[in-house]
Amino acid sequence: DAKTTQPNSMESNEEEPVHLPCNHSTISGTDYIHWYRQLPSQGPEYVIHGLTSNVNNRMASLAIAEDRKSSTLILHRATLRDAAVYYCILRRIGYFGNEKLTFGTGTRLTIIP
Amino acid sequence: GAVVSQHPSRVICKSGTSVKIECRSLDFQATTMFWYRQFPKKSLMLMATSNEGSKATYEQGVEKDKFLINHASLTLSTLTVTSAHPEDSSFYICSAATGSSGNTIYFGEGSWLTVV
Repeated sequence: DAKTTQPNSMESNEEEPVHLPCNHSTISGTDYIHWYRQLPSQGPEYVIHGLTSNVNNRMASLAIAEDRKSSTLILHRATLRDAAVYYCILRRIGYFGNEKLTFGTGTRLTIIP
Repeated sequence: GAVVSQHPSRVICKSGTSVKIECRSLDFQATTMFWYRQFPKKSLMLMATSNEGSKATYEQGVEKDKFLINHASLTLSTLTVTSAHPEDSSFYICSAATGSSGNTIYFGEGSWLTVV
């Protein structure tokens, strides 16, 4: 099964860009890369997802390595509200339609005012 | 946007009793629903994956007879913790997805279970 690896924690200053890495060296060609974030005592919130090309939305950007073995979530200008645990997830649907989600351990992002 | 709702958000039950948590997709049909548990300051642990109308697939180490999962319709899945014990106290979260791996997965708000 594909696995993801993330740093346990990161710190960043407010209003500066943040780059959150994720390694997924055993990713398969059909796995999508999803990123979610979670605040304490809440369900995870969708951030962004992609397959091969870099993706941008109003929340963040996702940079995917050419070999797809790693990706980086980019928060362009961190605010205090971005402090959360960020999860990198691989999503795969098997031949028979069965789903498989592979979680990273999550990165706890602290924003320093 | 799509919403996944869990109920109850908090529940306290006595040791030895069973408790049911519901997960509903409010405005889309979820072909697959996932159940997780999470201990304080720890990562989400996937417990099981359920496809509508079929048996759930449990992750290694998760007792299927203790954590009963039912996915009877495209908008509802339930998790029943049977014969609950204090060590089952945890934050339980569901998520729902449509069939394509390129689509967004939507998470519920989570349910706090406390077994006393």
